[in-house]
Amino acid sequence: DVKVTQSSRYLVKRTGEKVFLECVQDMDHENMFWYRQDPGLGLRLIYFSYDVKMKEKGDIPEGYSVSREKKERFSLILESASTNQTALYFCATSDFGNTEAFFGQGTRLTVV
Amino acid sequence: GQSLEQPSEVTAVEGAIVQINCTYQTSGFYGLSWYQQHDGGAPTFLSYNALDGLEETGRFSSFLSRSDSYGYLLLQELQMKDSASYFCAVRDKNYGQNFVFGPGTRLSVLP
Repeated sequence: DVKVTQSSRYLVKRTGEKVFLECVQDMDHENMFWYRQDPGLGLRLIYFSYDVKMKEKGDIPEGYSVSREKKERFSLILESASTNQTALYFCATSDFGNTEAFFGQGTRLTVV
Repeated sequence: GQSLEQPSEVTAVEGAIVQINCTYQTSGFYGLSWYQQHDGGAPTFLSYNALDGLEETGRFSSFLSRSDSYGYLLLQELQMKDSASYFCAVRDKNYGQNFVFGPGTRLSVLP
């Protein structure tokens, strides 16, 4: 079974804080993704990575950055959290064929 | 760019059959996926269609017509546990071969 584990289920942070969301996968998948989910908007891609130290912007990268220093770990960083970044965040992985994505359990982030 | 359309809500009764449609617009189509998400849970993969036609997996089937830029998810013998949101997602070569997700369809199964 593919395991995609996000470091926190719930987070509450203050405006202006630097926030780290961590994701670890145990299936040796090349591709890793960070999505944001807001009601009625589906899942929107923030950043993705196809290899260690590689990153590409998705649809909504503004206000976010990522880090992939090891194949199994992909971190999402909110440099200075704002209230409009309150959302549900999902990490996902897929193998090289990229036909099926496996999602982590999600992190509900609230910025106050 | 890409856009996907799905109905926002569908309601059906236990034991019935329901079809959730998805239309998409993209110039770089690779394939269409479907995901299920229960409240508070993570999306889970249901199917992937790269070629036209119907793919069946148990009670769920997924159909694709590339010429019509259209697909659907068919759920048969509905059960209460099928109440969830269902997302179609297009794999797009113009998008780094990544998936663009639709807004989701909320399915409510009534007893």
